[in-house]
Amino acid sequence: GENVEQHPSTLSVQEGDSAVIKCTYSDSASNYFPWYKQELGKRPQLIIDIRSNVGEKKDQRIAVTLNKTAKHFSLHITETQPEDSAVYFCAALWGTSGTYKYIFGTGTRLKVLA
Amino acid sequence: AAGVIQSPRHLIKEKRETATLKCYPIPRHDTVYWYQQGPGQDPQFLISFYEKMQSDKGSIPDRFSAQQFSDYHSELNMSSLELGDSALYFCASSLERDRENEKNTEAFFGQGTRLTVV
Repeated sequence: GENVEQHPSTLSVQEGDSAVIKCTYSDSASNYFPWYKQELGKRPQLIIDIRSNVGEKKDQRIAVTLNKTAKHFSLHITETQPEDSAVYFCAALWGTSGTYKYIFGTGTRLKVLA
Repeated sequence: AAGVIQSPRHLIKEKRETATLKCYPIPRHDTVYWYQQGPGQDPQFLISFYEKMQSDKGSIPDRFSAQQFSDYHSELNMSSLELGDSALYFCASSLERDRENEKNTEAFFGQGTRLTVV
């Protein structure tokens, strides 16, 4: 069935260090992989995404890499700041024309220590 | 720019009561998703609609039903509420037709409805 595994569940880093969160997915047909940041009690907000025809994408301090063969993708945050502290979810889009759903990973609680 | 609107933001119900959650997707978006997020949990997919037709179902209890109306707004109806139904319920919308046409698109989430069953 559709499944997305995410590791680690919690991550503490010193301000200025890098953070890496990894996800694996089960369905090789998935072709879109977004990452969401969620602060307590608020909605998930997209921070970066990647399509299956791309191996890496970068946006300032955030980057995502995708290995389709191994079915895993990773989020990299460099020069972390206290405001990066939040829960991060990876997701994979399942389905074909007209029948879509996003399956989320279990989340990573990132704490950036000042 | 218009975002996904959910109402109400907060809802308190007693066990065995009924609740109706509403979602107004971003105009022109063709796909609506409903998610349930318990405390400390990841969002769990409940159901989705594409062009007002139910397109996929996830772990949605039989006590729950949803529909999308002609104006594209969607409602999640929850009956015989249980304590375990207490959660944040998110609606999201996207324009999947753009993805099928190789254009960039993303799913936007509403602010959620916090349902508390007492």
